[in-house]
Amino acid sequence: DTEVTQTPKHLVMGMTNKKSLKCEQHMGHRAMYWYKQKAKKPPELMFVYSYEKLSINESVPSRFSPECPNSSLLNLHLHALQPEDSALYLCASSHDLDTQYFGPGTRLTVL
Amino acid sequence: GNSVTQMEGPVTLSEEAFLTINCTYTATGYPSLFWYVQYPGEGLQLLLKATKADDKGSNKGFEATYRKETTSFHLEKGSVQVSDSAVYFCAQYNNNDMRFGAGTRLTVKP
Repeated sequence: DTEVTQTPKHLVMGMTNKKSLKCEQHMGHRAMYWYKQKAKKPPELMFVYSYEKLSINESVPSRFSPECPNSSLLNLHLHALQPEDSALYLCASSHDLDTQYFGPGTRLTVL
Repeated sequence: GNSVTQMEGPVTLSEEAFLTINCTYTATGYPSLFWYVQYPGEGLQLLLKATKADDKGSNKGFEATYRKETTSFHLEKGSVQVSDSAVYFCAQYNNNDMRFGAGTRLTVKP
């Protein structure tokens, strides 16, 4: 089983809202990732958690706040987003730090 | 630094045609190489991988061979189907760094 699940599938929020994206995997993978993907572009890495510790932060704005409550769960808390933050947000996990398995994504629209 | 370059799209083929999508990389050391496929409205799916020189990754009729001498990992399929229409991303992993190519959109017409 190589399934990574993400909820919600779609999210529409205003610039003053606070919302969270959720990602879950039950493959025992030790690393989990958040990516942002704009239309017709490749994914851009936002955050990496390894053994539940944030190991790489690609200088993402503070209005995005990751959280890793346990080895199976990864959240992305959103606050005061801008319309340009509208994108597909992808979660991925990896056992060996090179092969990454992606979830279906959350399509975020910021009004 | 590490980078991936793949052929510009879009690519349009007729069903049963032969497919090649070119991918080259630059890296220090010995990266692992991947092809991912993204169907409309979905996340990325791992299509195939190769971890060392001369390895051939294969899946669902797709193949790619890790060529160290030409720093390439070209994707091929002998006979494409309409259901193969998607965006294909070449990627490399090297020293805790995952890099994707720009993606190539493939459309297969009946």
